[in-house]
Parts: sequence; structure tokens; C-alpha cells
Amino acid sequence: NAGVTQTPKFQVLKTGQSMTLQCAQDMNHEYMSWYRQDPGMGLRLIHYSVGAGITDQGEVPNGYNVSRSTTEDFPLRLLSAAPSQTSVYFCASRTGGIGKLFFGSGTQLSVL
Amino acid sequence: AQSVTQPDIHITVSEGASLELRCNYSYGATPYLFWYVQSPGQGLQLLLKYFSGDTLVQGIKGFEAEFKRSQSSFNLRKPSVHWSDAAEYFCAVGTYNTDKLIFGTGTRLQVFP
Repeated sequence: NAGVTQTPKFQVLKTGQSMTLQCAQDMNHEYMSWYRQDPGMGLRLIHYSVGAGITDQGEVPNGYNVSRSTTEDFPLRLLSAAPSQTSVYFCASRTGGIGKLFFGSGTQLSVL
Repeated sequence: AQSVTQPDIHITVSEGASLELRCNYSYGATPYLFWYVQSPGQGLQLLLKYFSGDTLVQGIKGFEAEFKRSQSSFNLRKPSVHWSDAAEYFCAVGTYNTDKLIFGTGTRLQVFP
């Protein structure tokens, strides 16, 4: 049982480059979300999805796009990376309703 | 607006000593409260949660937390800390009718032998 899988684990980008962070879960969870973690700021919600075809913005959505075409996958896209997006990104999922979030192991992103 | 405050950025304790990590929340509705732990280089793992009922909740790894509505607090406790408890701890708050879980800024726990 893999749980929540994030790829890649590490990535270095140049300013202006684009990339997609991948997130997949094999628990048939309806809810998936992306957080970014920055020192002294805890985890901040970027985008979330309550099911295939449904997404919504969190606290810090600017500069990021998401889509949810399947239950399993919830990719996060950076269209034009900026140094302010240097962070550790976590994907998390859960079943419907408020409850336990299952986290991936994170993607460490550096934008130069 | 809802918020979570963890006033202690860094706490150091000796192995075997008791531990209390503080968490205060600001929320208009009945809160759902969580504590998560993050080991270095890992994702977050749920320690315990409070939805309703008994205000003292038990979690994994010997942790417990007490919900005090009058103080808007949900402090995490452990009677005897082990070296393996060294990690970062996050308090979080949400409600049933929202899909957004708000996290505090975390408390880093260091354990000395």
C-alpha cells in the first residue's frame, strides 16, 4: 500500500521555467490538497480538490494551477517559477469529511 | 478569521522529562482540532484529533491532548519523552463544513539524553 506518492523529491528550477509536481494516491480518497511549508510559517494550503473535476483555492494559490481529472492524481503546476516559490511542497489526501490527512513525503523545490 | 498559534518555536527537554506543547486557536464555530508530527525529511503524521465529547483525547506514541474551550487551547502532553520524539509538531484546526485545515507554525522539539 503506497499511500500518497510525490515526485520528484528534489527539483531545481531557473526563474521563469515551468514544471509539474506529481501527486498520486491509491486509497480512493475523494479529497486531495497541496500545501507549501516554509520556515516559521508552518503549512499553508495552496489548492485542494473534493473530487474529480472539482478544485478550489486555498490560502496561497497565486502562481499555481491544479486540475483533477482522476480520483488518484492531483498535479500541481508552476507556470513561471519565481524565487518566492522556493519551498517544500506536500500533497495530502483523505476521505470525505474532516478527518485524518495522509501526507506524501514532500518535494523540495529551489528556484534560482 | 480562523487562526492557530503555537507560541513556542523551539523546546528542549531531557529524555524522561514531561512535555507540554501549547496550541491556541481562534475559530468562530465548533473547532475540530488536530496534532500532527513531522520527523526530519518526512511528511506529517496524525498524532490525535478532537471532534467532540471527552475533552482529553489519547493519541499514538503515548501522547494526549486536552481541549479547553474557555481558554481556546488544545495543548499536547506526554508524561515521559523518548529521544525518538524529537521532531516538529503542528497543531491544526478545521470544521466539518469546510475543506480547509489551518496549521500553526510548528514547535520543534529537541530531546537531550
